[in-house]
Amino acid sequence: DVKVTQSSRYLVKRTGEKVFLECVQDMDHENMFWYRQDPGLGLRLIYFSYDVKMKEKGDIPEGYSVSREKKERFSLILESASTNQTSMYLCASSTQDNSPLHFGNGTRLTVT
Amino acid sequence: GEDVEQSLFLSVREGDSSVINCTYTDSSSTYLYWYKQEPGAGLQLLTYIFSNMDMKQDQRLTVLLNKKDKHLSLRIADTQTGDSAIYFCAENEGQNFVFGPGTRLSVLP
Repeated sequence: DVKVTQSSRYLVKRTGEKVFLECVQDMDHENMFWYRQDPGLGLRLIYFSYDVKMKEKGDIPEGYSVSREKKERFSLILESASTNQTSMYLCASSTQDNSPLHFGNGTRLTVT
Repeated sequence: GEDVEQSLFLSVREGDSSVINCTYTDSSSTYLYWYKQEPGAGLQLLTYIFSNMDMKQDQRLTVLLNKKDKHLSLRIADTQTGDSAIYFCAENEGQNFVFGPGTRLSVLP
């Protein structure tokens, strides 16, 4: 079974802090994704990566950056956290085009 | 742009069948998916169907696809309390996934 692991289930950070959300997958998948999930807004794509050191903006990249230095790891960075970034963050991976996404358990981030 | 719609809530009694419906707009979708999300967790892939199929069955789950009407349904037979969750329909073309808003299924004892 594919395993996508997000390093934290819950995080509480202060406004202005730099926040790192880490995601690791163990199935040698090429593609990795970061989504955020908010009530009434569904899942929205922040960034994705289809190879090491490659990244593409999703629908809502503002306020975020990403890093993919190794194939198995995809990091989401909030350079200066704001309260409107309080959300559930979901990491996913897939092996190739038209293959299903496999999700981690999510990180619930609260910015105070 | 692409859009996926679902009703937001469904309640059924334990032991009954549940049918969750979804409509989508992108006729070029290669696959259509059903994901399940339990409270506080990520999305778990339940099943998926290739766009040239009409039906797929997997134990208690039956997926029906009407490509002409762009309608997808998920039937859960003998619904149990452990099936209570949010169910997401999704379509994709390549790596561009579009998710519905999710249907919250409540199973009443």
